[in-house]
Amino acid sequence: GENVEQHPSTLSVQEGDSAVIKCTYSDSASNYFPWYKQELGKRPQLIIDIRSNVGEKKDQRIAVTLNKTAKHFSLHITETQPEDSAVYFCAASRSSSASKIIFGSGTRLSIRP
Amino acid sequence: KAGVTQTPRYLIKTRGQQVTLSCSPISGHRSVSWYQQTPGQGLQFLFEYFSETQRNKGNFPGRFSGRQFSNSRSEMNVSTLELGDSALYLCASSPGSGSTDTQYFGPGTRLTVL
Repeated sequence: GENVEQHPSTLSVQEGDSAVIKCTYSDSASNYFPWYKQELGKRPQLIIDIRSNVGEKKDQRIAVTLNKTAKHFSLHITETQPEDSAVYFCAASRSSSASKIIFGSGTRLSIRP
Repeated sequence: KAGVTQTPRYLIKTRGQQVTLSCSPISGHRSVSWYQQTPGQGLQFLFEYFSETQRNKGNFPGRFSGRQFSNSRSEMNVSTLELGDSALYLCASSPGSGSTDTQYFGPGTRLTVL
């Protein structure tokens, strides 16, 4: 069945450094890839998404890249700040009303002061 | 617009009991999805409802069921509770045109089974 693998499961970076989280997906028909951030005790919230017709998308310090041939996509956070500490989930889905979103297992990102 | 709301926020049950959780989507959203979140398993998809019909289903046993009402509010029921059902249950709503809609999550119901 469809599967999304996410690595690493935990990541600790120095404040100001960059963080990269990687995901691979199994369903070659997937064409929508959102990223969610879940702070401790809070609900997951969408931070950025990308569709298969583009290879990269940026929003201030956050960027996502997509390699459809290799079936992987990555989240890049530059100039990390303490408020970036959270669990990040990647996900993949098809653009079909009958399709479901498959989430990765999450990455716990910690920013060291 | 008001966000997605879930009730109750916390629930304690014992093994063998059943439980019903409620989710009210954002006004105008017609799709409601349910997820189980546990520390080791991430976000596991339970099912999705759209226009009162189950449109998608995850790999959970038949003890987990749901329904959606004409106002798009949704309920999830778990019968014959097991210790392993202890988790945070999240619902998410979206406009409903497809799975590429942004999902807006509720705050979750934390279920503890003793």
